Amino acid sequence: GALVYQYPRRTICKSGTSMRMECQAVGFQATSVAWYRQSPQKTFELIALSTVNSAIKYEQNFTQEKFPISHPNLSFSSMTVLNAYLEDRGLYLCGARAVIANTEVFFGKGTRLTVV
Amino acid sequence: GDSVIQMQGQVTLSENDFLFINCTYSTTGYPTLFWYVQYSGEGPQLLLQVTTANNKGSSRGFEATYDKGTTSFHLQKTSVQEIDSAVYYCAMSDNMGYKLTFGTGTSLLVDP
Repeated sequence: GALVYQYPRRTICKSGTSMRMECQAVGFQATSVAWYRQSPQKTFELIALSTVNSAIKYEQNFTQEKFPISHPNLSFSSMTVLNAYLEDRGLYLCGARAVIANTEVFFGKGTRLTVV
Repeated sequence: GDSVIQMQGQVTLSENDFLFINCTYSTTGYPTLFWYVQYSGEGPQLLLQVTTANNKGSSRGFEATYDKGTTSFHLQKTSVQEIDSAVYYCAMSDNMGYKLTFGTGTSLLVDP
């Protein structure tokens, strides 16, 4: 079956430092990978959408300078939270989809970021 | 832009009660609508996808329909069980089908 693994599952970083999280698709080719943040008491905010062979598209309030993303092949993506502060804490989810649009998005279990 | 509104933040039911959760959506395109379920400590999982207005999707005893006229879609289950306790999110994808917009979630607690 199709699975998405995210690691680390939990991480703590000091305010002002950076943290990299990874997303691995297994059992399908992840043509499209979306990174979301689920902040406390909030729903899923889309950070950016990465489609292989296309430019990564960031949503309003999120920038490449703050959340650089790499999507080098059809099974892997990573995102870094640069210069993390309290407002960056939350559960970061990777959602990956295969070639055809409107097929199921498979989510990992997320990386929970705590900033101290 | 696209938006999804999910008003019920928390629902508490007893086993075998009827569940009904409603969302409204706004888009300029032709949406595909979804219901996701998130159990504690897990990422969201697809529960149902509804692509045609007034047609029902069904899975695990849940049914979903959407009404194009009122731009609303809902999730229902005739008889909930304790294992159904989770957070349910409605979501909508854009025309290209790559970007998902989520509602704020309904936390369902089913008492045994």
